[in-house]
Amino acid sequence: AQSVAQPEDQVNVAEGNPLTVKCTYSVSGNPYLFWYVQYPNRGLQFLLKYITGDNLVKGSYGFEAEFNKSQTSFHLKKPSALVSDSALYFCAVRDYDNTDKLIFGTGTRLQVFP
Amino acid sequence: DVKVTQSSRYLVKRTGEKVFLECVQDMDHENMFWYRQDPGLGLRLIYFSYDVKMKEKGDIPEGYSVSREKKERFSLILESASTNQTSMYLCASSLGGGLVSYEQYFGPGTRLTVT
Repeated sequence: AQSVAQPEDQVNVAEGNPLTVKCTYSVSGNPYLFWYVQYPNRGLQFLLKYITGDNLVKGSYGFEAEFNKSQTSFHLKKPSALVSDSALYFCAVRDYDNTDKLIFGTGTRLQVFP
Repeated sequence: DVKVTQSSRYLVKRTGEKVFLECVQDMDHENMFWYRQDPGLGLRLIYFSYDVKMKEKGDIPEGYSVSREKKERFSLILESASTNQTSMYLCASSLGGGLVSYEQYFGPGTRLTVT
């Protein structure tokens, strides 16, 4: 079965420091991977996706993600965190059994301290 | 920009009531989805629809039904609300139609409390 795992419930980082939010996946074919962000009392916003091509994908708000096939990972990164980046982050993978569906991880709460 | 709207941000209902949650998207997307979000469980798919009048069960369809009479509108129905259906409900849409664009776009969510 396909799945994504976000091993950290919460990540704490100081403002100005680099941040990483981890995601690993398990799929039966080539993965299509996504990151979303959810601010308090809001819906999810699409950040970026990997389908094919360059392993480093750039997205909204200065975020990027690195696809690593050998480690089956798709970690979200940002060189310099902002307090306003504090939010809940979800990783997702396309479901190969039904290609219109996404399978979401359980989410990682990012807290950026001033 | 894709816009997905949901009829209510907050809703309080009593046990046993029939509850309707409405979702509308304005980008002519083929696919629409209903999720519930609970702490520690992430997003769980309730139902989705890939065309008008078409629907498929997701992972947790029990206690819910859906209706899609028009392409832009997807309704979630709780036939007889129960306290364990207290949750955040999120609607989403995606392009579909076999095109390689699988990202989903979400509405702001409806926080439903059943007392």
